[in-house]
Amino acid sequence: KNQVEQSPQSLIILEGKNCTLQCNYTVSPFSNLRWYKQDTGRGPVSLTIMTFSENTKSNGRYTATLDADTKQSSLHITASQLSDSASYICVVTGGGGYNKLIFGAGTRLAVHP
Amino acid sequence: DVKVTQSSRYLVKRTGEKVFLECVQDMDHENMFWYRQDPGLGLRLIYFSYDVKMKEKGDIPEGYSVSREKKERFSLILESASTNQTSMYLCASKDSVQAYEQYFGPGTRLTVT
Repeated sequence: KNQVEQSPQSLIILEGKNCTLQCNYTVSPFSNLRWYKQDTGRGPVSLTIMTFSENTKSNGRYTATLDADTKQSSLHITASQLSDSASYICVVTGGGGYNKLIFGAGTRLAVHP
Repeated sequence: DVKVTQSSRYLVKRTGEKVFLECVQDMDHENMFWYRQDPGLGLRLIYFSYDVKMKEKGDIPEGYSVSREKKERFSLILESASTNQTSMYLCASKDSVQAYEQYFGPGTRLTVT
């Protein structure tokens, strides 16, 4: 069964600290993996996208890694800011026609001052 | 910038009412999607459309229908709203089947009482 699992479900960190969010998937065939940021009451916004051959991608303070062999990805946030408080969603494309997206349930991050 | 707009941010309807959720994109994208998002679950695909007047069922189409009369507009219809359809509804669009990136609207939070 095509699945994307994220951990932890929720996380609280202090402003300025780093954190790492995890994503494990069992999607086949695999096309690409994306991380989205979703602010409360808003639609998801893309942070990074990685294909099979890429193992790291950065977007400012956000760095995503991909290990296609173990089917794991991580999103590392450096020097967190209050505005990083959001849900982070891991999305894997594959598993069927029309580049079907398989969504993880997300990690809810709260950054406290 | 791609802009995907949804007709309402918040909507409250009564059980049995017919509900229309509208989505408009301004980038001439071929593909449009409707998802629902519930706590603890990833986004789930309700319907998608890859061209005007074309539609395909997603993973959870029961209780919903869609309409795409114009390329820029994709409507989600709840024929007879029920309380289990209380959810956040997200519309998305992308350029073509091969394109990676989906762009999301801000979402409509629908409450059915």
